[in-house]
Amino acid sequence: DIQMTQSPSSLSASVGDRVTITCRASQTIRTYLNWYQQKPGKAPNLLIYDATNLQSGAPSRFSGSGSGTHFTLTISSLQPEDLATYYCQQSHGMVATFGQGTKVEIK
Amino acid sequence: EVQLVQSGAEVKKPGESLRISCKGSGYNFANYWITWVRQMPGKGLEWMGRIDPSDSYTNYSPSFQGHVTITADKSLASAYLQWGSLRASDTAIYYCARHTIESSGLAGGLDPWGQGTLVTVSS
Repeated sequence: DIQMTQSPSSLSASVGDRVTITCRASQTIRTYLNWYQQKPGKAPNLLIYDATNLQSGAPSRFSGSGSGTHFTLTISSLQPEDLATYYCQQSHGMVATFGQGTKVEIK
Repeated sequence: EVQLVQSGAEVKKPGESLRISCKGSGYNFANYWITWVRQMPGKGLEWMGRIDPSDSYTNYSPSFQGHVTITADKSLASAYLQWGSLRASDTAIYYCARHTIESSGLAGGLDPWGQGTLVTVSS
């Protein structure tokens, strides 16, 4: 299976900060990389698909970049409602996998 | 509105069988793959497998292959996740989610998601 490694596992930032989360794949996945936000007690919500495409309805402060094995999710200006855990997911090949998650807290 | 509605919470004993469901509405169910995801208490998301409802072709994670079965009935616009013999370690929330790209199990992401089904396995 393709392993996905997210970093950091958690972070604490202030409202208005720029936040970056990294996801690395154990082998190339081209751009088959998606990002999800999961707020406490809720189902996950798609933010970015195919590495760089903002899902309809997702706030424009979220952006994704990368290809191959290295990907990033950026929140340009952190908002209080961004308190959540963020997951990357690769969908290349027969078996998809999620990263272990990054918990974002607000200072 | 495109929506997935899952069946309600279940409490089972180890060794029992179970099938939970995921019903789609607001779109042509046969044209979009469905993925199942597990979330154990306080833990992250785990990809279990996916099904193409048009022909019931499935892919499974090796971690779940042989322990669960994913099926679909396009005439009922429903997908199912079933266990033949539950274990205490199956206690988790299970989510179904629809792939966003028609007829693709690869491109696009998963949206929408069902509300989740809590399965508790305890003696």
